[in-house]
Amino acid sequence: SSELTQDPAVSVALGQTVRLTCQGDSLRRYYATWYQQKPGQAPVLVIYGRNNRPSGIPDRFSGSSSGNTASLTITGAQAEDETDYYCNSRDSSGHQVFGGGTKLTVL
Amino acid sequence: QVQLQESGPGLVRPSETLSLTCAVSGGSISSSDWWSWVRQSPGKGLEWIGEIYHRGNTNYNPTLKSRVTISLDNSKKQFSLNLTSVTAADTAVYYCARGADETVQGIDPYYYYYMDVWGKGTTVTVSS
Repeated sequence: SSELTQDPAVSVALGQTVRLTCQGDSLRRYYATWYQQKPGQAPVLVIYGRNNRPSGIPDRFSGSSSGNTASLTITGAQAEDETDYYCNSRDSSGHQVFGGGTKLTVL
Repeated sequence: QVQLQESGPGLVRPSETLSLTCAVSGGSISSSDWWSWVRQSPGKGLEWIGEIYHRGNTNYNPTLKSRVTISLDNSKKQFSLNLTSVTAADTAVYYCARGADETVQGIDPYYYYYMDVWGKGTTVTVSS
């Protein structure tokens, strides 16, 4: 399968920890890449590789992987983290594929 | 640092060809990178359109492959998207992005791909 599956919506209390997941066969060979997208803006890379953060991304964001499931964990969620998150990887054909996205709500 | 800027018509008639260009500044377009197009229909998620390697190799989304062409012009430091026979379903914000493939070596190697630089996006509406 070349699909990546994400939960459409997840909520977390302010300051608590939340894990967003991404499932797909391609993740058995590819690490997922995670993007954050705020309304009206371009996506921003937040996690790539085993658990790499670009410069400027807070260390409360981390990534992990097990089997066909990748996770983006936000430890101590902040109000500004409320937005959409997308996972992405290549599939077995080398094509890129995006998950459907998760809308994170910080309560 | 590298910056990307999309440009092109904001309105395209149905059945015509959508043509966009992404200008690369602050770096080389000839480095070992992939140059991608991604779109987002109103209220929807991200959809990968296709990509071109600095050497000219291309990959396209199978669902769009018959209508998509991506090209690269080293001399102008830009890459382009052509999408033919557009319909209202092609109305979207179109983003260009720079990507890279990496390998984590080991007995069981892992791979990853990431897009670290994105343009701001350009809105294209398909309407008569």
